[in-house]
Amino acid sequence: ETGVTQTPRHLVMGMTNKKSLKCEQHLGHNAMYWYKQSAKKPLELMFVYNFKEQTENNSVPSRFSPECPNSSHLFLHLHTLQPEDSALYLCASGGQGLNTEAFFGQGTRLTVV
Amino acid sequence: GENVEQHPSTLSVQEGDSAVIKCTYSDSASNYFPWYKQELGKRPQLIIDIRSNVGEKKDQRIAVTLNKTAKHFSLHITETQPEDSAVYFCAASLPSAGKSTFGDGTTLTVKP
Repeated sequence: ETGVTQTPRHLVMGMTNKKSLKCEQHLGHNAMYWYKQSAKKPLELMFVYNFKEQTENNSVPSRFSPECPNSSHLFLHLHTLQPEDSALYLCASGGQGLNTEAFFGQGTRLTVV
Repeated sequence: GENVEQHPSTLSVQEGDSAVIKCTYSDSASNYFPWYKQELGKRPQLIIDIRSNVGEKKDQRIAVTLNKTAKHFSLHITETQPEDSAVYFCAASLPSAGKSTFGDGTTLTVKP
């Protein structure tokens, strides 16, 4: 166990549903990340938070909405997704500087139907 | 921004052989280069990293080399074993960027 926990592990949702992915780390890291992993793009950065502040939004559609209430928790709110959004969503945490997103969660396998 | 290219995309070796995965990066200011291993159905895990003030680093059967002038770095796995089969990702990070740019991954298969 690397200390980064994601829930749920699997999620099936309809295109009109609203759901949220959760990530939690108790490693004392100040940076947290959302990545999308699919066959099309193996590791695609979505969002970066440093000290609860969003420092990067990698041109992600507004149907994905991140939230970082504190340094230990990160959410990804999902609404009106498309089937092509089906993928593995990985959360990661790390420290500022040289050691970046060193620890990944297990991921949430999302299927949009 | 940084751009990382990784080759080959797939690599198949016989058990006991060596495997080499190569990456190039575009921004000469990048100074941190981690490598991740992702087994099927599991999370990417950091297996080794190297910083720009070092040319080579070794950890048992795994070694990384860095050529700053040519802007490329490589992962070397010796005496490969079936459990080395996985997808390997290289990455490059700019100072204080707070994130890494990943390569597209190499699927390594070690045949027994």
